[in-house]
Order: sequence, then C-alpha cells, then structure tokens
Amino acid sequence: TQLLEQSPQFLSIQEGENLTVYCNSSSVFSSLQWYRQEPGEGPVLLVTVVTGGEVKKLKRLTFQFGDARKDSSLHITAAQPGDTGLYLCARASGGATNKLIFGTGTLLAVQP
Amino acid sequence: DAMVIQNPRYQVTQFGKPVTLSCSQTLNHNVMYWYQQKSSQAPKLLFHYYDKDFNNEADTPDNFQSRRPNTSFCFLDIRSPGLGDAAMYLCATSSFPSYEQYFGPGTRLTVT
Repeated sequence: TQLLEQSPQFLSIQEGENLTVYCNSSSVFSSLQWYRQEPGEGPVLLVTVVTGGEVKKLKRLTFQFGDARKDSSLHITAAQPGDTGLYLCARASGGATNKLIFGTGTLLAVQP
Repeated sequence: DAMVIQNPRYQVTQFGKPVTLSCSQTLNHNVMYWYQQKSSQAPKLLFHYYDKDFNNEADTPDNFQSRRPNTSFCFLDIRSPGLGDAAMYLCATSSFPSYEQYFGPGTRLTVT
C-alpha cells in the first residue's frame, strides 16, 4: 500500500505553543511535500524534501525527512493563529503519471 | 503574478442541473488537475490532463467530465449534480516532471 498516515488528525492549541505533525508510510518514497491549506482556500506548497535525514526550515516551521525516507515531520515553534489550517503531506505516486498521493491530513487550530 | 484562477469562488446549483466550473492558469504548466475535497479531508483526484491527454481516475463517477481546450484553461462539468456532489473543487497545475502542484483557491459548490 502507498497510504500516507498523518498524526494527529486534529490539534487545537494555544498561541505560543509548539507542535509536531507526523507523516508515515510503510514504503520508501523518493521525495515528500508538505502543503498548508487555510480555511476556504486551496493548498499551498510549503516545502519539498528529497534526501533521507534532510532538515529544512521555513521561519518557525522545521521539516524533517526520515533517514529511511518512510516518514517525515513538521514542527512549528511558537504557533500563531495564522498557522491555523489543514496540513497535508504528499508523495509522488510513481510510474509514468504526475499524480500525488496525499496524506490523511492534520487539522490545526491555534487559539489566540 | 503567475497563478491559478478558479471561477466562480462559490457556486449554487439545483439538484440535477448541469454546472460548469472553470480554471485558468498563467504558469504555462503542462499538467492540470481537478480535485474534489470534502470537510477538511485530503483532496481526492478526479482526473488530470497531461497536455491534451486526459487521465480519468478509476473511481470518478461518469457524472463528472472535463475539457481542456488549450494550455491555459480547464473545465469541470457536472452533468447531473446530486446532493453528495456538494464539496470544494480544486484545480491544480504542475510542470512535468516536477510533482510540485500549484492550487487555485477552489470553488465551493452547493447543491440545493
């Protein structure tokens, strides 16, 4: 199976708290993307990670690709209400198509 | 700015009344996608075009059709909307062979 499981499914925290979202698969993938979707909008690409063990930072967001390239995490430091949204990981479906397989999603609400 | 545009942002249609959603892009990407998304779930791919080649997902109902008259435009036709078709419809583009997708803001479809 090529399912991407995200955890937690829902997360409600107070402004200023830290959080981590996980994306796991039983199979190896060549690269992984993270998207954020704000309420009422389309998903926006945050980052693509390619190399096992890779760490990328985007302001208060830190993305890590597992050494075995089967998992990834997104850590947010000092969350703000503007971080509220649906976080989706996604991997290439492989083969000759250009399709993505999305994770199950993590819905984050940051309370002021 | 280069972008993906969807019109309208909100569409109300009656049960069984055909409706067309439109998407345009200024990115000159060769792949365009249509997704259906319900209540904070991951987007579900309906079909995609690689240039003019149409690729339907196996579980996309026949009620959903698509047209891509040129590189910039893509349409989603719902021939006989049912109550279960109420959802957010997302258009996205990518430039093969990159898997990074760029989404429009979506069209929220309501079926009465």
